[in-house]
Amino acid sequence: KQEVTQIPAALSVPEGENLVLNCSFTDSAIYNLQWFRQDPGKGLTSLLLIQSSQREQTSGRLNASLDKSSGRSTLYIAASQPGDSATYLCAPQTGANNLFFGTGTRLTVIP
Amino acid sequence: ETGVTQTPRHLVMGMTNKKSLKCEQHLGHNAMYWYKQSAKKPLELMFVYSLEERVENNSVPSRFSPECPNSSHLFLHLHTLQPEDSALYLCASSQTRGTWNTEAFFGQGTRLTVV
Repeated sequence: KQEVTQIPAALSVPEGENLVLNCSFTDSAIYNLQWFRQDPGKGLTSLLLIQSSQREQTSGRLNASLDKSSGRSTLYIAASQPGDSATYLCAPQTGANNLFFGTGTRLTVIP
Repeated sequence: ETGVTQTPRHLVMGMTNKKSLKCEQHLGHNAMYWYKQSAKKPLELMFVYSLEERVENNSVPSRFSPECPNSSHLFLHLHTLQPEDSALYLCASSQTRGTWNTEAFFGQGTRLTVV
């Protein structure tokens, strides 16, 4: 069964700082990997989807990379803002209909 | 209305009650999912429907009963729940193409409290 680990579990940074969130997974036979953000008590908002054949995907200030063979993905957030405060989740897709989740990284950006 | 919509947003029910959670997607997707999110635990996949057929059931107790009448609607029927079933229940949808899926979109969730 796919195991997903996200490090760090919590991160607090001053506004404007660049930061990296890490995700590792045990089964490298994935079809794609998706990054989400979740605000407290709310649903998940999709940020980026990286197909297994891709190495990188960018959307605005966000850049996600994927190293499938080593079972790792990173989410880079540039020039962080207080509105970026949320829990960030990565979810590799293994099998036809299954996203596996870790417990996420809780980010706080201090004004 | 766009995206994935879940109702109700909050639900409090007694252990002997019967209630249903509803999910509707307006994205033209052919796969829908129920996930459970408990405090300090990863999201757990409960059920998957692809092309209106249930394709996955992750050992979920029978007190949870899913229903998918068409590709746009998904229900989760609840009966005789336990307090430990209190959690955020999330619905998601995606487009299944053979062995892989497009980007998954989630609803806002139903916060369920069993008393």
